[in-house]
Amino acid sequence: GAGVSQSPSNKVTEKGKDVELRCDPISGHTALYWYRQSLGQGLEFLIYFQGNSAPDKSGLPSDRFSAERTGGSVSTLTIQRTQQEDSAVYLCASSLASRPGGTDTQYFGPGTRLTVL
Amino acid sequence: AQSVTQPDIHITVSEGASLELRCNYSYGATPYLFWYVQSPGQGLQLLLKYFSGDTLVQGIKGFEAEFKRSQSSFNLRKPSVHWSDAAEYFCAVGEGSGAGSYQLTFGKGTKLSVIP
Repeated sequence: GAGVSQSPSNKVTEKGKDVELRCDPISGHTALYWYRQSLGQGLEFLIYFQGNSAPDKSGLPSDRFSAERTGGSVSTLTIQRTQQEDSAVYLCASSLASRPGGTDTQYFGPGTRLTVL
Repeated sequence: AQSVTQPDIHITVSEGASLELRCNYSYGATPYLFWYVQSPGQGLQLLLKYFSGDTLVQGIKGFEAEFKRSQSSFNLRKPSVHWSDAAEYFCAVGEGSGAGSYQLTFGKGTKLSVIP
């Protein structure tokens, strides 16, 4: 079956502009995660969604970052007023999260490379 | 908060040689531990994971890892490296939500180069 897909694969924007990054999780996966991979910081957790629960936003670096998940499936990560330090690869992952205490594997998408000029 | 240390930024080995990539973690409870591999231009692929039980875990591509609680380590090993193993390897610890999902904290990664 299809894996996690992300779009666009590359995005170049100017400082101060808003961007939207999209993630399509594996069908049936109830948990969806966003991570960021940058040269300086490595891989960092940003936010995750679990079913209909309120998302865990503890990893978002500033209030310019937000994310939503519509219909329990597709998610959009929005960065407002982009800054050069936002340049990174944004990775999305999903997992079944089928039961409390579950240990289902997170499957990662190929990422969106964001460059802020 | 949990943290993961991969002390080796870059390792070079000859094809056919054995490999050990080091990983140390800091976490208060019993950790969920993972090794992921990222090839150039590719996404992250899970090699193996440890949640409980047998401390020696077998993964894909001939990799294994051993959880040592006393040393807070989860080192990755392979007895004979192939040229296709050249990639970046990430160790991660998962903090569960209790609802079946968990956020991952990654180490900085170890880049593996393989000499033919």
